[in-house]
Amino acid sequence: EVVLTQSPLSLPVTPGQPASISCRSSQSLEHSDGRTYLSWFQQRPGQSPRRLIYKVSKRDSGVPDRFSGSGSGTDFTLKISRVEAEDVGVYYCMQGTHWPLTFGGGTKVEIK
Amino acid sequence: EVQLVESGGGLVQPGGSLRLSCAGSGFTFSSFWMSWVRQAPGRGLEWVAYIKEDGSSSNYLDSVRGRFTISRDNAKNSLFLQMNSLRVEDTAVYYCARPPPESGYAIDYWGQGILVTVSS
Repeated sequence: EVVLTQSPLSLPVTPGQPASISCRSSQSLEHSDGRTYLSWFQQRPGQSPRRLIYKVSKRDSGVPDRFSGSGSGTDFTLKISRVEAEDVGVYYCMQGTHWPLTFGGGTKVEIK
Repeated sequence: EVQLVESGGGLVQPGGSLRLSCAGSGFTFSSFWMSWVRQAPGRGLEWVAYIKEDGSSSNYLDSVRGRFTISRDNAKNSLFLQMNSLRVEDTAVYYCARPPPESGYAIDYWGQGILVTVSS
């Protein structure tokens, strides 16, 4: 099973400042088809998760452009260029390259 | 608008059974893989099971294989999860979810979730 390790576990951020979340995989997430299936989800308090990014860097419709994804192989990053109050929640990475599909443990973003 | 609405959760004793349902609308249900994902209280997300568009293939988390069965009725736009021999550690919010394979199963729509509590 592929283990996704997120860091930090908790991320206090001042509004307007950037934030960065790391997701490291125990195996390369490059699929035999040449694509890398790493996605990011946001879960606001009391809500269902919401997809932000898929295939490493493709941002979903309606997701603010302050969110961006990058990385390759085993190292991936979600960046928020300027954190806003509405960004509070837990962020999860997920890999879809290897079965079983797995999620990272989550990173809690909070406002200082 | 795509909607996924779960039902059937509740409190059950260890060893008991429960059947979750999910009603899909706003999309061509029969054209999409579907899945169940769970989240134990205060914990992270965990895939439980998936089923292909026509129900021809499915797969399960190791810890539920042989106890849980995922199925679907495309004529009724419905997804099901039959849960038998429930354990305390199955306690979680269960989400019905749509995982497009072309995006690496990155779930694009989630239900609101339904709580299953296994306790004596």
